[in-house]
Amino acid sequence: GNSVTQMEGPVTLSEEAFLTINCTYTATGYPSLFWYVQYPGEGLQLLLKATKADDKGSNKGFEATYRKETTSFHLEKGSVQVSDSAVYFCALSVVGRRALTFGSGTRLQVQP
Amino acid sequence: GAGVSQTPSNKVTEKGKYVELRCDPISGHTALYWYRQSLGQGPEFLIYFQGTGAADDSGLPNDRFFAVRPEGSVSTLKIQRTERGDSAVYLCASSQGQGGADTQYFGPGTRLTVL
Repeated sequence: GNSVTQMEGPVTLSEEAFLTINCTYTATGYPSLFWYVQYPGEGLQLLLKATKADDKGSNKGFEATYRKETTSFHLEKGSVQVSDSAVYFCALSVVGRRALTFGSGTRLQVQP
Repeated sequence: GAGVSQTPSNKVTEKGKYVELRCDPISGHTALYWYRQSLGQGPEFLIYFQGTGAADDSGLPNDRFFAVRPEGSVSTLKIQRTERGDSAVYLCASSQGQGGADTQYFGPGTRLTVL
């Protein structure tokens, strides 16, 4: 089956620190990969996505590269801000199926 | 423009009761999805509609759960004989229906509590 594993949180960083949130996956079929973010009191929003190997998704200073050889899609940001505090979810969908399979989420807390 | 809306935002019911949860997708989106999110977990897929028909209902946990989308827009998730284990946030999402990497836009969710 399909599954997504992401690092457990919470991750606590100081403002301007470098962020990495690890995500690995298993998939039956060729996956597209996503990062969703849930800010406090808000709904899930797509942060970035990549649809084929070696693609890099980017948005709001966040980046993730689709690595087929390591089945990974790690999220990175060079300098986090307090406003980045949220829960981040890695997810995948496979060709022929629209359903998203999510990881369990990683809470990021950025301190001033 | 308006996003995905869900009503009610909170629903408290007693074990054994019937509940209906409503989702209004983004106008023009042909695909609609229901997910369930338990505390501390990621969303779990329940069912996906393309137009009026359920294209994939493989995530429905049992026959107490049913969903409809009679006119290809609004959808209702129906839960019969609710159990305490059904307590969760029920999320609805919609997309343009253009393929597997289609961006899904999520609503704020309905928090269901079964006492």
